[in-house]
Amino acid sequence: GAVVSQHPSRVICKSGTSVKIECRSLDFQATTMFWYRQFPKQSLMLMATSNEGSKATYEQGVEKDKFLINHASLTLSTLTVTSAHPEDSSFYICSASALAGGGNEQFFGPGTRLTVL
Amino acid sequence: GENVEQHPSTLSVQEGDSAVIKCTYSDSASNYFPWYKQELGKGPQLIIDIRSNVGEKKDQRIAVTLNKTAKHFSLHITETQPEDSAVYFCAASNQYNNNDMRFGAGTRLTVKP
Repeated sequence: GAVVSQHPSRVICKSGTSVKIECRSLDFQATTMFWYRQFPKQSLMLMATSNEGSKATYEQGVEKDKFLINHASLTLSTLTVTSAHPEDSSFYICSASALAGGGNEQFFGPGTRLTVL
Repeated sequence: GENVEQHPSTLSVQEGDSAVIKCTYSDSASNYFPWYKQELGKGPQLIIDIRSNVGEKKDQRIAVTLNKTAKHFSLHITETQPEDSAVYFCAASNQYNNNDMRFGAGTRLTVKP
């Protein structure tokens, strides 16, 4: 099956620093990648959708200047949390979809747990 | 936009019994309905999915049914095992709308040995 990796799996940082999370599709070309945020015992909340080579589309209420998304290639998307604060602590999960293949399955990465002190 | 509701929020069954989780959706244009299993500290894993052109799909102990008229779909797990314990999420999406996927709130399934 399709494999999506995320790096790092866990990060702890000081308030005010920026953190970059990478999402890679390992065995397929992902025309679209999605970034989700999940709080403890809650569902996945879509933050943004990114298509390779174009600007990401952000969900209402998600600050695009705070959560920078770059989808530079068909196998890599990055999410940068800028000037992180404790309220940004969460579980961030990416998913990838090969829409060009005709299917709309999303394959999820293992997630990145961000803790901002 | 799409709104997905999922019930129950928690479900506890005895090993060997069946488990059923139900979801409803609001957007009649949704045409793809996956189910994900999420274990603690991990990302969701696709376990089964169904498209709007079929009413039922089965894969070993797991089956999903879809009622387009009523806009609801269900996950059925038979002969449950302790390793089935996890949080299960249903989702709905429209492949013609940039694959925008909305998730249910999740069901925490506990299978008691």
